[in-house]
Amino acid sequence: GAGVSQSPSNKVTEKGKDVELRCDPISGHTALYWYRQSLGQGLEFLIYFQGNSAPDKSGLPSDRFSAERTGGSVSTLTIQRTQQEDSAVYLCASSPRTSAASYNEQFFGPGTRLTVL
Amino acid sequence: AQSVTQPDIHITVSEGASLELRCNYSYGATPYLFWYVQSPGQGLQLLLKYFSGDTLVQGIKGFEAEFKRSQSSFNLRKPSVHWSDAAEYFCAVINAGGTSYGKLTFGQGTILTVHP
Repeated sequence: GAGVSQSPSNKVTEKGKDVELRCDPISGHTALYWYRQSLGQGLEFLIYFQGNSAPDKSGLPSDRFSAERTGGSVSTLTIQRTQQEDSAVYLCASSPRTSAASYNEQFFGPGTRLTVL
Repeated sequence: AQSVTQPDIHITVSEGASLELRCNYSYGATPYLFWYVQSPGQGLQLLLKYFSGDTLVQGIKGFEAEFKRSQSSFNLRKPSVHWSDAAEYFCAVINAGGTSYGKLTFGQGTILTVHP
């Protein structure tokens, strides 16, 4: 399909384990965003990529969270030493945004539901 | 800092009835506003967006929204609701300019239940 894909769709892990969440954006989209959706906190911005660079990491909740993007395409969000409060749905979005002055629709993937036991 | 408020956590309407979902925003400059819909287990789908120009914007699935600067509102409307419209609806504002990089700030969402 031509949409944003995320894997896995569901992930159950034990407290203290590391997890990796993957996002495949729409081909050609230069901008990529990670958001987190949790009860009580709603939808929160985590990090933004333009190409392979991450000029805005302000939403990452702690240094246990990191993300990278390679080839201007796939992105991986890594959570180290997971805690129960990390349980949430992690959403990825991509956009064809091409400059600082332009804003385009963000296309969202179906999300990864993370449960930390 | 920008913020978005959706005062109604849960709304129930009968199929065929009209619908209005409220959204208020706080933003220093002209906002770029969005409404997204999320069906259970699905990602977010864009219904409509306001960037500039005509304050009444039309979207997909028969939805429309009106931007009212004086009231800092961007309410979503539909004249006749269908059972398939049952979902959660999110209003969002995009951070424009500076180092904001276009990230979205979302409201808390409104869950819509449709009775047959």
